[in-house]
Amino acid sequence: NAGVTQTPKFRILKIGQSMTLQCTQDMNHNYMYWYRQDPGMGLKLIYYSVGAGITDKGEVPNGYNVSRSTTEDFPLRLELAAPSQTSVYFCASSWDGGYTFGSGTRLTVV
Amino acid sequence: ELKVEQNPLFLSMQEGKNYTIYCNYSTTSDRLYWYRQDPGKSLESLFVLLSNGAVKQEGRLMASLDTKARLSTLHITAAVHDLSATYFCAVVDYGGATNKLIFGTGTLLAVQP
Repeated sequence: NAGVTQTPKFRILKIGQSMTLQCTQDMNHNYMYWYRQDPGMGLKLIYYSVGAGITDKGEVPNGYNVSRSTTEDFPLRLELAAPSQTSVYFCASSWDGGYTFGSGTRLTVV
Repeated sequence: ELKVEQNPLFLSMQEGKNYTIYCNYSTTSDRLYWYRQDPGKSLESLFVLLSNGAVKQEGRLMASLDTKARLSTLHITAAVHDLSATYFCAVVDYGGATNKLIFGTGTLLAVQP
């Protein structure tokens, strides 16, 4: 049972480039979330999903997009990377009150 | 919009001492989580508090929840160096279409020998 798997673990992007952060869970959880964590700060909710085909904005959605075509996958898309998006990104899934977090993706935009 | 505040933001303690981390939140919720994060790592779940008056203990850590005061505490007893980490509380926000977990800013705990 792998839980929540995030790829890649590290990435350096140039300003204006695009990329997709992958998140997959094998627990059949309906709810999935993307958070970002800036240095020395707590986690801020970017987007969340309550099931396949349903997504909604969180606290800090600007500059990001998501899709949820299957229960298992919840990719996060950065279209035009900016230095302000340098952060650690965590994906999570939940069901019935229990939350499982991935190991994170450390993204640097230069 | 639910806001979660923790204090202190940084705590330097000596081994063997006791201290408490506080977590306040702005709107009604009855579910609160405490997490530990080591540098460069993901979040490790410590406690889930599900009702008013809930108290849970694990080793030197004890967490409690007062939903009427919108306050949770994480009490550290006789601190040891291994407890050095960042501690987050997170509160379930029931507003909107689904439940969302909103995090506090974290408390960086440094236990000095």
